[in-house]
Amino acid sequence: DAGVTQSPTHLIKTRGQQVTLRCSPKSGHDTVSWYQQALGQGPQFIFQYYEEEERQRGNFPDRFSGHQFPNYSSELNVNALLLGDSALYLCASSRGRANTEAFFGQGTRLTVV
Amino acid sequence: AQSVAQPEDQVNVAEGNPLTVKCTYSVSGNPYLFWYVQYPNRGLQFLLKYITGDNLVKGSYGFEAEFNKSQTSFHLKKPSALVSDSALYFCAVRPSSGGYNKLIFGAGTRLAVHP
Repeated sequence: DAGVTQSPTHLIKTRGQQVTLRCSPKSGHDTVSWYQQALGQGPQFIFQYYEEEERQRGNFPDRFSGHQFPNYSSELNVNALLLGDSALYLCASSRGRANTEAFFGQGTRLTVV
Repeated sequence: AQSVAQPEDQVNVAEGNPLTVKCTYSVSGNPYLFWYVQYPNRGLQFLLKYITGDNLVKGSYGFEAEFNKSQTSFHLKKPSALVSDSALYFCAVRPSSGGYNKLIFGAGTRLAVHP
């Protein structure tokens, strides 16, 4: 079982550019959530996808968007990058609405210069 | 507002001594509570969870946590710390309403276990 996999592991982008991060959930999981972890802080919930629809959204601007594919994998897109978007982006997968724990990927370290 | 507080930025403990990492929460209803650990340049690893039932829950690597509803706390404990336990620990809560499993995290507590 490969667990949750994210790509790329590191990324450097310039202000104003756009970025796409990818996530493959753990086998058997159908729900994907994205979190932003700024340096020295706890992860902040961005949004969650289930059955290819955004089900919950945190306090993030519309520049942050996502997608879930039929195979449950997911993308996080960020447009018009700001320096403040520099962070570790974590993907977590879980099984539906069950009260199960979320499994996290190793994250994508995004640096905006 | 829903929130999780980890009042200690860092906890220092000698190897072999018991450790406690504190967590309190503010969430309406009966929340689900979790502890995760993060090693450098890694994602979060699940340690344990409280959903319902016994207030003392046991998890991975010898960790346990005690749920106290009246104090809205969920402190992480281990009877005998190891140097390899040194890492960043996050408490998280999932509100019981809403049907989906968004997690609200605390700011984290760095645990340093000294030989």
